[in-house]
Amino acid sequence: DGGITQSPKYLFRKEGQNVTLSCEQNLNHDAMYWYRQDPGQGLRLIYYSQIVNDFQKGDIAEGYSVSREKKESFPLTVTSAQKNPTAFYLCASSGGAKNIQYFGAGTRLSVL
Amino acid sequence: AQSVTQLDSQVPVFEEAPVELRCNYSSSVSVYLFWYVQYPNQGLQLLLKYLSGSTLVESINGFEAEFNKSQTSFHLRKPSVHISDTAEYFCAVIRSGGSYIPTFGRGTSLIVHP
Repeated sequence: DGGITQSPKYLFRKEGQNVTLSCEQNLNHDAMYWYRQDPGQGLRLIYYSQIVNDFQKGDIAEGYSVSREKKESFPLTVTSAQKNPTAFYLCASSGGAKNIQYFGAGTRLSVL
Repeated sequence: AQSVTQLDSQVPVFEEAPVELRCNYSSSVSVYLFWYVQYPNQGLQLLLKYLSGSTLVESINGFEAEFNKSQTSFHLRKPSVHISDTAEYFCAVIRSGGSYIPTFGRGTSLIVHP
């Protein structure tokens, strides 16, 4: 089945630690995105990539980093500089003429 | 730049009653419009979309939305809701000819009571 796979489903971070969230898609989409979701705030764009080896900052990129070495993969690293990382993280991809986004099941990150 | 306003953060309703979730957008150019649904601890699923053509679009589970250009709205409706419709609903807009990155509303929590 084609889709977007996020792992792990739950993740815990210790203070001062970097953690990496995985996002893989087999939809052959060019563009991929990372969003952060907090209660009552909707979705906020962290980073996006429209092509391999290229990515742009979204609205809340500080404390996060990404890479796009393969078309299928767009991992997100939450660095120790992100002081409030507890949230639900959603990965999406899009393709085609209208660039409709499709989402993974999400990763819930908590701080120990 | 476009923006999306979902006027209601929470909509409680009884089972089998009709419901309308409101979405207004602002954009000076043509747009594509979407409704997504999110069940607890899951990702967003595309519910329905307006790209062009008929202004009334329908989903497979009984929801419909109507694109109203003069009122810049894309309200979501269902004539009779089920308990299983309890979820968070997000409206999103893409500006055609732009970066194709959607702007999302803050979401409306639909709570269906038995």
